[in-house]
Amino acid sequence: SAVISQKPSRDICQRGTSLTIQCQVDSQVTMMFWYRQQPGQSLTLIATANQGSEATYESGFVIDKFPISRPNLTFSTLTVSNMSPEDSSIYLCSVADRGGTDTQYFGPGTRLTVL
Amino acid sequence: GQNIDQPTEMTATEGAIVQINCTYQTSGFNGLFWYQQHAGEAPTFLSYNVLDGLEEKGRFSSFLSRSKGYSYLLLKELQMKDSASYLCAVLDSNYQLIWGAGTKLIIKP
Repeated sequence: SAVISQKPSRDICQRGTSLTIQCQVDSQVTMMFWYRQQPGQSLTLIATANQGSEATYESGFVIDKFPISRPNLTFSTLTVSNMSPEDSSIYLCSVADRGGTDTQYFGPGTRLTVL
Repeated sequence: GQNIDQPTEMTATEGAIVQINCTYQTSGFNGLFWYQQHAGEAPTFLSYNVLDGLEEKGRFSSFLSRSKGYSYLLLKELQMKDSASYLCAVLDSNYQLIWGAGTKLIIKP
């Protein structure tokens, strides 16, 4: 499976600021996803990052709040904009190759705390 | 709507066997996944079932019955390191992964 890294691994931010999280994969992948996981809860899909076009957002998530870039097949960024304490969470990127079993493999996550 | 049900929490003894059940109701089916997630870490892939039956992988096995919308994860010879959350997820007809809430497994000595 692909090796996935995320930066930063954790951060503490002030209300009203923005944070950009990077996801890097060591090989080209078809699909890249961004999830949020609140403490003790399961995964919530934020959006699918599409290479060369706008991301596909899930219900409840909007581009202005969570802009996403995917300039190529190995890299994506998620920005959490105008943060509030409710955005404190773990943010995870995952990758999958369409055409196989679509198994998703996850990066190590970014633990975000907003004060 | 789409729904995946798993028990919230289970407790088992080191060395024993435990079965974690997952029932699902989704729009279409393209496979079922089990992931393990230790506290503070990312989920790691355990198994994938798309056909009915049992898939065995070492101490872990996963079973699927598509007609019943049912799967289970069987863990044998439990070790303390198996204490984790186990997530069931179904790939629906749109190839969207629908996640269960996860089962927290506590292993006692």
